[in-house]
Amino acid sequence: NAGVTQTPKFQVLKTGQSMTLQCAQDMNHEYMSWYRQDPGMGLRLIHYSVGAGITDQGEVPNGYNVSRSTTEDFPLRLLSAAPSQTSVYFCASSRLGTGSNEQYFGPGTRLTVT
Amino acid sequence: DAKTTQPPSMDCAEGRAANLPCNHSTISGNEYVYWYRQIHSQGPQYIIHGLKNNETNEMASLIITEDRKSSTLILPHATLRDTAVYYCIVRRTTSGTYKYIFGTGTRLKVLA
Repeated sequence: NAGVTQTPKFQVLKTGQSMTLQCAQDMNHEYMSWYRQDPGMGLRLIHYSVGAGITDQGEVPNGYNVSRSTTEDFPLRLLSAAPSQTSVYFCASSRLGTGSNEQYFGPGTRLTVT
Repeated sequence: DAKTTQPPSMDCAEGRAANLPCNHSTISGNEYVYWYRQIHSQGPQYIIHGLKNNETNEMASLIITEDRKSSTLILPHATLRDTAVYYCIVRRTTSGTYKYIFGTGTRLKVLA
């Protein structure tokens, strides 16, 4: 199992550019989520999904779009990048239902918007 | 969703037990308490979780008060590799939509 993979590892964007952060998992997990982590801060939930075709907003959804066409993939789109979106982005996945439902995190994408 | 409050930082001597407190006074009856840790800038790593009873695994123990308004994560014999930021999170248990809301965590430094 590769677990949760994220690409790219690093990205620099200019203000106004758009891009997609990729996230994939090979554990057949129903639940997937995106977080951002600003320097010295905790993680904040952007969007999450409980299955293909189902997404919902987290704490800080503005400026980001998501879709979930397959169980494996959960891309995060920045529509028009702003310096305030400079952050480290983590994707995570877990099972739903009973049990520990621990979240498995990817290695992160470090995004800088100039 | 219930919020959590943790001290911003703690020190612990190597080989001693590290006791990390968390306050979650607004927790609901069906919300689990989860603990994760983040070493450097890596993705957070699951440690342990519980609902009402105390729990223990190979990494740590989780003590939840009877009223469930607070909990303590115990690392029984802290090592230098346990230096990390520890997050206490409350998550709803319903089988449908749920959210993990991270706080700012406790930065634990294990001292040699």
